[in-house]
Parts: sequence; structure tokens; C-alpha cells
Amino acid sequence: GAGVSQSPSNKVTEKGKDVELRCDPISGHTALYWYRQSLGQGLEFLIYFQGNSAPDKSGLPSDRFSAERTGGSVSTLTIQRTQQEDSAVYLCASSRTYGQPQHFGDGTRLSIL
Amino acid sequence: GEDVEQSLFLSVREGDSSVINCTYTDSSSTYLYWYKQEPGAGLQLLTYIFSNMDMKQDQRLTVLLNKKDKHLSLRIADTQTGDSAIYFCAEAQMQGGKLIFGQGTELSVKP
Repeated sequence: GAGVSQSPSNKVTEKGKDVELRCDPISGHTALYWYRQSLGQGLEFLIYFQGNSAPDKSGLPSDRFSAERTGGSVSTLTIQRTQQEDSAVYLCASSRTYGQPQHFGDGTRLSIL
Repeated sequence: GEDVEQSLFLSVREGDSSVINCTYTDSSSTYLYWYKQEPGAGLQLLTYIFSNMDMKQDQRLTVLLNKKDKHLSLRIADTQTGDSAIYFCAEAQMQGGKLIFGQGTELSVKP
């Protein structure tokens, strides 16, 4: 598609369950970023992938969070043993290469009951 | 550490100009961005300016950058009700380009 695509758009799950969030970047974009938007913390960087380089995981809040990017395209953000404080909108962005303008998807709204 | 600050609210009348201000701390930033977010939607890239520029104009949008004072502003000319949204200022870190966002300014446009 023309833009960054994220799925699901909404996810409601019980505390303690694992969730997987998917991001399909703009075709040809080599850099992919995950951010989190929550009421208390605003917009926070989570993790960044550039080509085949090792990802920058410096923003991941705990070891329950992980992400992978297969084949240099689609990325999956996984949250294990979800907690209520994980409730937020998870936004994915891609750019042509690192340092170039980032284009965002519509996000996944995650609610932990 | 890096920090980006914005005022939280701005209210203007339709047809007036809006000016949204932002200050940042990282002098090594490469690009500075303005994003728009409407309710329930993601972030729409409005415009951006490279750190060695002072001004950029794009139709109704004018971005001014004062690098000495680390001050960025977005001016929207002839503001319309459809411009009502939250506007985020962001700086891109030199390494990797991850974005540091301000808290967002909620722009309310009254008819």
C-alpha cells in the first residue's frame, strides 16, 4: 500500500496474556521505528531497525517487550505477560533510510483489562 | 538529556493566523519536524526543516528555526476549522534519527 499499515487497529486483552502487533512499512523504506503514545508519558521511542544492522532497543521499557523485522520489511512488536501500564497506542513509522522524514501508521490501540 | 517543550493549548478564530511554538535542547539535531494528529488517527507529517535552515514555507505553513535559541515555530495562515488537531514538534537525533517529541499543542479553531 501507499502508507504504513498497522494491525490490528484495536486490541483488548487480559492482563498476563501475550500480544503481537504488526507493522508493514512503506515499500522501499529501510528504516522502521516503533513508538508508544500514552496519556501519562506522551510519545516515546521504543526500538529502531535499519536494514540488516542490529536494532537500537534502547527505548524498550522492560524485557517483556521485543521486536523483530523479517526480511527487512514487516515488523512485529511482541509484549509478553501484559500489564495494565502497557495500555497505550503503539505507533510504527518508516523512512527511506535512517535520518530521513518518518511516516507513521494509524497505530494499534492496546487495552489491557 | 534531550527535551522538547510546547505549550499545551492554543485557541484562534477561523481566518486568523496560528503560531505554535516549541523549544528543544539537543543542538546536534539534524531535522526538526511538525506532525498533526487528529482524534483516533496516527501522526501526519506536516512539514520539516533541516537544522542549517532558518525558514521554510509550504503553502499555508511557515516554519521558523532559531538555532541559537533552539526555538522552532509553526505558523498556519488563514486557519480553518479543519486545522483543529494536536500538533507535535519533534527533533531527530543525529544517530539513528529517532524522534524526541514535545507534549503536543491542542489547536482549537472557533468559527
